[in-house]
Amino acid sequence: KNQVEQSPQSLIILEGKNCTLQCNYTVSPFSNLRWYKQDTGRGPVSLTIMTFSENTKSNGRYTATLDADTKQSSLHITASQLSDSASYICVVRGRNTDKLIFGTGTRLQVFP
Amino acid sequence: DAGVIQSPRHEVTEMGQEVTLRCKPISGHNSLFWYRQTMMRGLELLIYFNNNVPIDDSGMPEDRFSAKMPNASFSTLKIQPSEPRDSAVYFCASRPGGRGLGYTFGSGTRLTVV
Repeated sequence: KNQVEQSPQSLIILEGKNCTLQCNYTVSPFSNLRWYKQDTGRGPVSLTIMTFSENTKSNGRYTATLDADTKQSSLHITASQLSDSASYICVVRGRNTDKLIFGTGTRLQVFP
Repeated sequence: DAGVIQSPRHEVTEMGQEVTLRCKPISGHNSLFWYRQTMMRGLELLIYFNNNVPIDDSGMPEDRFSAKMPNASFSTLKIQPSEPRDSAVYFCASRPGGRGLGYTFGSGTRLTVV
């Protein structure tokens, strides 16, 4: 069964600190991997999209990495801000399909 | 661009009642997706349309669920009759033609069936 697993389930950090969220997937064949940020009460918003040929992609203070051989991805947040408090969802799309497979997310809380 | 617009934002209904959720995709987007989000299962695809045509409805949980897209600017998801286990947040998302392109999600409809 195609799966996307994320860790940790939840994370608390202090403002200004860095953190890294993990995503492992078994979706095969693989097309692309996306990281979404979902604020409470809102829909997910795309942060990055990476194909199998891309290893790193940055979006401001967010940097995503992808190792297509080990089927692992990470999202690194630098100098966290209170507004980074949200759920971060890893999403994988297989090849030749419109279906996205969603992880259950990591709930990040940034405290002052 | 106002983004993907969903209505209502919140819906509370009694078990057995019919519920209709509405979605207006971004103009020019060719694909529309309906998702359901719960704490236990995360985001799950219910059905999606390409150019107003339903392509895959294998995620629709039961015959009580139905979706339509009568034109490029409007879609509905209907539950009849509703049950308490249908309580969830329902998201609509739209996307331009290519699969590699980004999806834009609406703000969701929080449905509570009591």
